[in-house]
Amino acid sequence: GEDVEQSLFLSVREGDSSVINCTYTDSSSTYLYWYKQEPGAGLQLLTYIFSNMDMKQDQRLTVLLNKKDKHLSLRIADTQTGDSAIYFCAERTYNTDKLIFGTGTRLQVFP
Amino acid sequence: EAGVTQFPSHSVIEKGQTVTLRCDPISGHDNLYWYRRVMGKEIKFLLHFVKESKQDESGMPNNRFLAERTGGTYSTLKVQPAELEDSGVYFCASSQAGTGGEQYFGPGTRLTVT
Repeated sequence: GEDVEQSLFLSVREGDSSVINCTYTDSSSTYLYWYKQEPGAGLQLLTYIFSNMDMKQDQRLTVLLNKKDKHLSLRIADTQTGDSAIYFCAERTYNTDKLIFGTGTRLQVFP
Repeated sequence: EAGVTQFPSHSVIEKGQTVTLRCDPISGHDNLYWYRRVMGKEIKFLLHFVKESKQDESGMPNNRFLAERTGGTYSTLKVQPAELEDSGVYFCASSQAGTGGEQYFGPGTRLTVT
């Protein structure tokens, strides 16, 4: 079956690193995504990783994938107040456009 | 270039009434998707259009929901009659032709059924 799970809340101090975790169940997942939703806005694609990769880094963002454990994480370095948002993990298999999302993790950054 | 737009941004209706949500994709995008997030839960796929054809409607919850994309441009999602459990945020997304392209999301329509 298809299931994606995330913790609901994360609170960090400005300047610290944030790590948002996600687990999925579909072993045929080919692409894994991180989306960000700010208040009143749509989902914005932050980054994605192919299932044959272990890590991807993009400026302050680092994505780690443990395919054996079906675990995905997003690390945000030097977290800023502007990073406060809901972060959604999503997966997709090769032959479909259908995205399977998690519940979202609300990240709160305090000064 | 304009992004994906959705109308209305918020709708409050009574149980049993009808509501129609509209989505205007990015110009030239063949693929159009509808998703829904019920309060505090995951975002769930509803359906996928390729131009005016329904490619995948496996996520449509029941026959009270009707999606159309006449002419392959904008799309409407009608809920008739609305039930309390239909409350949530309905997102539309679009992507370029082909499979696997980045899906660009609209801001969503918040539907409240009382």
